[in-house]
Amino acid sequence: SYDLTQPPSVSVSPGQTASISCSGDGLGDKYVCWYQQRPGQSPVLAIYQDTKRPSGIPERFSGSNSGNTATLTISGTQAMDEADYYCQAWDSNTYVVFGGGTKLTVL
Amino acid sequence: QVQLVESGGGVVQPGRSLRLSCEASGFSFYNYAMHWVRQAPGKGLEWVAVIWFDTNIIYYADSVKGRFTISRDNSKKTLYLQMNSLRVEDTAVYYCVRDWDCSDGVCSALDYWGQGTLVTVSS
Repeated sequence: SYDLTQPPSVSVSPGQTASISCSGDGLGDKYVCWYQQRPGQSPVLAIYQDTKRPSGIPERFSGSNSGNTATLTISGTQAMDEADYYCQAWDSNTYVVFGGGTKLTVL
Repeated sequence: QVQLVESGGGVVQPGRSLRLSCEASGFSFYNYAMHWVRQAPGKGLEWVAVIWFDTNIIYYADSVKGRFTISRDNSKKTLYLQMNSLRVEDTAVYYCVRDWDCSDGVCSALDYWGQGTLVTVSS
């Protein structure tokens, strides 16, 4: 099976830059998506195809993917960005794979 | 606007069956692949199954293969998940999710999610 690994938690001060990593074998050869899930809510697609933002997602959200690691970057982090973030990729054998999730704390 | 409304969740005993439904609106349902994704209480996301727009391709997670069946009725704009031989570890919120683009055997992004329906498997 294919696995994606994320840090369980990341902390950031308001206005600073938060980076959340997602690692997997050969991940750079796959497209990665990122989802934001606020407490008590359904997940929302934040980044797709490594770097693209759906309409409605603020410009402070960006993504990158190279080698074995994809990264979600939130510039000028705001209190409303506090949430769980999940990376996701498609694998030919395991199909849809999610990372374990990262809890972003803004303090 | 895109709306996905799940129903059919509830409390069921281990070994019993349950059928979830998801009614779609606000988009051309027959053009999109659809997924079920679940989330156990306090846990992360776990993908369950996907069905192509024309039902020609269906994939399952190993954890549910042989027990769950995904299906759809494009005339009713409805997605289903038949869950048999339920286990305690199947307890979760089940989300109905649209895929932005599935083609050539590969899916792209889960772009719209329903609000979820809770399934509790307990004796």
